[in-house]
Amino acid sequence: DQQVKQNSPSLSVQEGRISILNCDYTNSMFDYFLWYKKYPAEGPTFLISISSIKDKNEDGRFTVFLNKSAKHLSLHIVPSQPGDSAVYFCAARQGQGAQKLVFGQGTRLTINP
Amino acid sequence: DVKVTQSSRYLVKRTGEKVFLECVQDMDHENMFWYRQDPGLGLRLIYFSYDVKMKEKGDIPEGYSVSREKKERFSLILESASTNQTSMYLCASSLWGVGLSRNTEAFFGQGTRLTVV
Repeated sequence: DQQVKQNSPSLSVQEGRISILNCDYTNSMFDYFLWYKKYPAEGPTFLISISSIKDKNEDGRFTVFLNKSAKHLSLHIVPSQPGDSAVYFCAARQGQGAQKLVFGQGTRLTINP
Repeated sequence: DVKVTQSSRYLVKRTGEKVFLECVQDMDHENMFWYRQDPGLGLRLIYFSYDVKMKEKGDIPEGYSVSREKKERFSLILESASTNQTSMYLCASSLWGVGLSRNTEAFFGQGTRLTVV
């Protein structure tokens, strides 16, 4: 049972425009959400996060929105740049202490010049 | 600079072999994790550890075991490699977290691409 879902396997966006990546979750016990970026043949790198008590977090070109009632979060990248082309994973944290991360399937973002 | 290092970038092993994947972190993190990444399935948790000699099963532990004899090192063992274990294996570490205010992002190694033939 997939607790974190990214329903779009791929997304193509023009350079300079906004990229919006979406993520849905089913477990209301998740208390923290993260986005990771991954280039081929490299490990994922942390991008931005949001706790369940907030609805928005911004860091430069990246903004994450959380809608708890809809169990939905999104990552906005504006303006999109060619270096943003990568696979983006949404992750949710469950519990304190060891704090396992549950990941979505990933969305491949391609920024076209 | 934080660092999680996996011993091999690429490995090719034969079916039935015992395979060891090693991971070392230099951040004094309590938690360590092993994930595998497969197309269309994202990252799936195999095992994790929150202390030396402590381990817990993740979502897909079958065919794997782990060892954590020292805080900085977490090993993944494939007892008898099979072709369906061909995958990208990712090690990660994080701080023991309490409370929403503590930033407990996980840091990943560069990954090991394992091919079982």
